[in-house]
Amino acid sequence: AQTVTQSQPEMSVQEAETVTLSCTYDTSESDYYLFWYKQPPSRQMILVIRQEAYKQQNATENRFSVNFQKAAKSFSLKISDSQLGDAAMYFCAYTDNDMRFGAGTRLTVKP
Amino acid sequence: DAGVTQSPTHLIKTRGQQVTLRCSPKSGHDTVSWYQQALGQGPQFIFQYYEEEERQRGNFPDRFSGHQFPNYSSELNVNALLLGDSALYLCASSLGGQGIGGTEAFFGQGTRLTVV
Repeated sequence: AQTVTQSQPEMSVQEAETVTLSCTYDTSESDYYLFWYKQPPSRQMILVIRQEAYKQQNATENRFSVNFQKAAKSFSLKISDSQLGDAAMYFCAYTDNDMRFGAGTRLTVKP
Repeated sequence: DAGVTQSPTHLIKTRGQQVTLRCSPKSGHDTVSWYQQALGQGPQFIFQYYEEEERQRGNFPDRFSGHQFPNYSSELNVNALLLGDSALYLCASSLGGQGIGGTEAFFGQGTRLTVV
């Protein structure tokens, strides 16, 4: 079964600095998608960034970018120029059909 | 566009009772997936509905059942509630019945169920 592991329960970053959140996954599939979702206290999951496994180029969305290492089954999220509004739970997710989430990383942004 | 709406937002039930949670997908979406998110954990996939049928199911007992209506809205039913069923229940909608891998899934704000 596919599993997603986030080894950092909590991370902290200074405002305007850069932080990287780690994620590894296990699968025997070759075609799949990976996501990072943000869940603020409002509880609503918000898509941050998506990566298709067949694309070698790392996805980028404004201040958010990923480092996708398919062979290593690693999918880290880099947040540049961190803002106070980035503070939230961040979940890494994998899908080749149904979606599986990691346990999450709580990101704190210090002013 | 109202996005994904779930009702109710909060619910308290007694052990052994039955509960029904509701979800209206984002306009234009035809696929609904349900997740259970226990406190401090990531969401766990319960099942997915497309064309009024259950297409995929996670590792949840038969006490968890669902339904999708012709207007694509969906219900999640849980029978014989246990204390361990207390969680945030999230609904996500997407387009297409090929799983949600290729299309963005939009989530509702969830229903917080407390079983006492």
